[in-house]
Amino acid sequence: AQSVTQLDSQVPVFEEAPVELRCNYSSSVSVYLFWYVQYPNQGLQLLLKYLSGSTLVESINGFEAEFNKSQTSFHLRKPSVHISDTAEYFCAVSVGNYGGSQGNLIFGKGTKLSVKP
Amino acid sequence: SAVISQKPSRDICQRGTSLTIQCQVDSQVTMMFWYRQQPGQSLTLIATANQGSEATYESGFVIDKFPISRPNLTFSTLTVSNMSPEDSSIYLCSVDGGYNEQFFGPGTRLTVL
Repeated sequence: AQSVTQLDSQVPVFEEAPVELRCNYSSSVSVYLFWYVQYPNQGLQLLLKYLSGSTLVESINGFEAEFNKSQTSFHLRKPSVHISDTAEYFCAVSVGNYGGSQGNLIFGKGTKLSVKP
Repeated sequence: SAVISQKPSRDICQRGTSLTIQCQVDSQVTMMFWYRQQPGQSLTLIATANQGSEATYESGFVIDKFPISRPNLTFSTLTVSNMSPEDSSIYLCSVDGGYNEQFFGPGTRLTVL
C-alpha cells in the first residue's frame, strides 16, 4: 500500500527566506506525485505535479519540486517566500492509470507554512 | 478549471442527527469524489460518485453512514448520518478535471457536540 509522510507539520519562516517542505512516499510501484496548496478558507488547489519526464517540476508562482526515486522523495522548495505563500501544503501520490484522475489520491497530513514579515 | 461550491460552509450539529452537504460544479463532470479531513489528519477518500450509478465506497466507509446522491453531472450530496463527535471533520468534494488533476471545493467544517 502507498503512503505519504510529511515530516513537518508547521514551518515558520521569514519573508524572502528560502523554504523546503519535505515529502516522502512509500510505494512498490511507480507513482504520480502532486503538491496541493490550501489558502485560508479556500479549497485545495493543485500547485504542481510529476507524471513523467524531467524530475524537476515548477509552478507558476516560483515553487519547484524534484522527484527523487532513489530517496522516494518529492520535496517542495522556493528560494524566496512571500507573505502570500502562507498556506497549508499537501503532498499526494497516486498510482492510477491517469494519475489523480481516478480518485486514488493518497495525501500526507499537510505542512502549514507561515511566512512572517 | 472547474469552480466548486459547497453548502453549508460550516455547521454545528447534535449527536444522533444527520447533515446533508451539497456540492455544486459549474460544469458537467463525470466523476466526483468525497473526502474527509479529520483534525490533524490527512485527507481520506470516502467514496467516488458517478452520475447514474451507485457510489463506490472506500474501505472503512459504508453507505448507511454516508449515503451519497449524484442526480446529474453538476451536483452531488453527501449525508453524514447518526452523527457522533468522531464525525467532526472537514468534508470536501472534488471533481475529475482531466489531465491528472482534481479540483476541490472549499470544504464543509462539521462539529458534532
